[in-house]
Amino acid sequence: DAGITQSPRHKVTETGTPVTLRCHQTENHRYMYWYRQDPGHGLRLIHYSYGVKDTDKGEVSDGYSVSRSKTEDFLLTLESATSSQTSVYFCAISESIGTGSYEQYFGPGTRLTVT
Amino acid sequence: AQKITQTQPGMFVQEKEAVTLDCTYDTSDQSYGLFWYKQPSSGEMIFLIYQGSYDEQNATEGRYSLNFQKARKSANLVISASQLGDSAMYFCAMRELNTGGFKTIFGAGTRLFVKA
Repeated sequence: DAGITQSPRHKVTETGTPVTLRCHQTENHRYMYWYRQDPGHGLRLIHYSYGVKDTDKGEVSDGYSVSRSKTEDFLLTLESATSSQTSVYFCAISESIGTGSYEQYFGPGTRLTVT
Repeated sequence: AQKITQTQPGMFVQEKEAVTLDCTYDTSDQSYGLFWYKQPSSGEMIFLIYQGSYDEQNATEGRYSLNFQKARKSANLVISASQLGDSAMYFCAMRELNTGGFKTIFGAGTRLFVKA
């Protein structure tokens, strides 16, 4: 199994508070991703990173920011949490993005509830 | 724009029978990859199988095979000899290799129920 951990695994927070989720990998993979999973939507990409300090937006990035100061850590911050951000958040990593499989390996997920 | 469609929200199959989970995709890129992932009730995402757009043969991994029909833009997952442990959510996904950058998009998923 790929070495990916997410913390916290569960969190309940109040509307308007900032929240930071952490993804940590031990695989030294270059690419890291944050997704959210909601019923009926599958997984939607929030932000991704293609190297230390290199990040870009995905399809549902509003209200989220990310940072990657080390290869192994990718942080997702909800700047001011809203109820619409209640979701399960997955971190993923991949070795490359070119031809060939280079599938993404997923962390265990973080269940976030915004009240 | 890239898009993945899984039209079966839920499927039932009898244990030991084969089942096909449908996936259609839309892309203008000539080079792309198709993936299937399994998500059991415990929540983790498990990679099952990969098909490249230029692969001439259908991908197979144990009891999983991908029925790739390029002209129809379909990438159906076939599970042979279903087991109770196959009950899970299944996601089809695609990454465009020339134009998609770093993005892999996912379908909404199909929940498979295997009956004893």
